[in-house]
Amino acid sequence: EVQLLESGGGLVQPGGSLRLSCAASGFTFSSYAMSWVRQTPGKGLEWVSFIDSRGGTYYADSVKGRFTISRDNSKNTLYLQMNSLRAEDTAAYYCAKQVLGYFDYWGQGTLVTVSS
Amino acid sequence: DIVVTQTPLSSPVTLGQPASISCRSSQSLVHSDGNTYLSWLQQRPGQPPRLLIYKISNRFSGVPDRFSGSGAGTDFTLKISRVEAEDVGVYYCMQATQFPYTFGQGTKLEIK
Repeated sequence: EVQLLESGGGLVQPGGSLRLSCAASGFTFSSYAMSWVRQTPGKGLEWVSFIDSRGGTYYADSVKGRFTISRDNSKNTLYLQMNSLRAEDTAAYYCAKQVLGYFDYWGQGTLVTVSS
Repeated sequence: DIVVTQTPLSSPVTLGQPASISCRSSQSLVHSDGNTYLSWLQQRPGQPPRLLIYKISNRFSGVPDRFSGSGAGTDFTLKISRVEAEDVGVYYCMQATQFPYTFGQGTKLEIK
């Protein structure tokens, strides 16, 4: 059974940093691309970042230069390092397993709140 | 960026009746590899999104056959043949043909 478990969310002040983790199990993690998607309270979904199986990355313009996606295939874990956080980064962050062009499994999400 | 627009944004439906959601993209979603990476997601209250349909019309594992997807190019449709109570939630279309991936605004399905 595929499982994705996010952690690392919490309350952080504007300008601060957080690192999110996504522990994967039930599939060969190293073989799949992964993405982070966020959802602001009461709002829709926004794709944040992508990493392929070889480590190639893409970012949404809204986070480029501030967020870094990475993976540790030995630990079956996906990361999102978030720096220079802003109020508008407040959201639930989901990791999603990607199969060529679609997200087949999603985690339960971790909530990030940026506020003073 | 590819803009994805869903209609309607809200859909009150009677149990047992059909429902339909439209998704239109600002440019063709046909990828250079020949595939069209348009998928449909369901988000029940308090739950993460769940994949229903991928590449326009392929039902994901475990998805009831009352859900179907169709379309091509820039116009796509999700249909529910007979709405059940468990179908309440928000439905999103999503394109992954081109970065940045983009989602529709969501359509809230509720029971009349």
